[in-house]
Amino acid sequence: DTGVSQDPRHKITKRGQNVTFRCDPISEHNRLYWYRQTLGQGPEFLTYFQNEAQLEKSRLLSDRFSAERPKGSFSTLEIQRTEQGDSAMYLCASSLVGLAEETQYFGPGTRLLVL
Amino acid sequence: AQSVTQLGSHVSVSEGALVLLRCNYSSSVPPYLFWYVQYPNQGLQLLLKYTTGATLVKGINGFEAEFKKSETSFHLTKPSAHMSDAAEYFCAVSGKSNTGKLIFGQGTTLQVKP
Repeated sequence: DTGVSQDPRHKITKRGQNVTFRCDPISEHNRLYWYRQTLGQGPEFLTYFQNEAQLEKSRLLSDRFSAERPKGSFSTLEIQRTEQGDSAMYLCASSLVGLAEETQYFGPGTRLLVL
Repeated sequence: AQSVTQLGSHVSVSEGALVLLRCNYSSSVPPYLFWYVQYPNQGLQLLLKYTTGATLVKGINGFEAEFKKSETSFHLTKPSAHMSDAAEYFCAVSGKSNTGKLIFGQGTTLQVKP
């Protein structure tokens, strides 16, 4: 079990550029979550998938943000036309929903800096 | 609606002293409660969780927390602080529903002085 992995770990981009982040969950975990964490704050929920289906999106997720989980395994989060306010740590978590209570396991995060 | 309030954004203790990090929650449904720890430039690691049953839960690294429904609290404690405990600690709540999203507090930075 290698845990949740995220790529890249760091991304610096210029305002207006598009960026894409990848998350690989723990194998066989059927749920995958994306959170955003700004400096000095706790993580805020963005969206989640159960298998391939995107079941909930936060109002924080503007039209410039899109997430996919095409085969129910890895997920990508794309931000189009980045803004300086998008600078944050983007965290991915996965969980197995079944008979036991759900526990989310987090990846190391992708830190985005928009110049 | 659910929310979490962590009292004290910074807590400083001496090595060997008691650690107490405070968390109060608001939830319209019976809550699941979590404490996570975050070391610099890393993701979150689960310390412990309360779902049902025993209200005193023990976690990793000697931490424990007690769910007090009447006080809507889930404070984190450790009898004796170690230098390696210095980190950011987050309390989180989720509802017992199909949506497992976590609502986090703003975090408490724990400083451990030698």
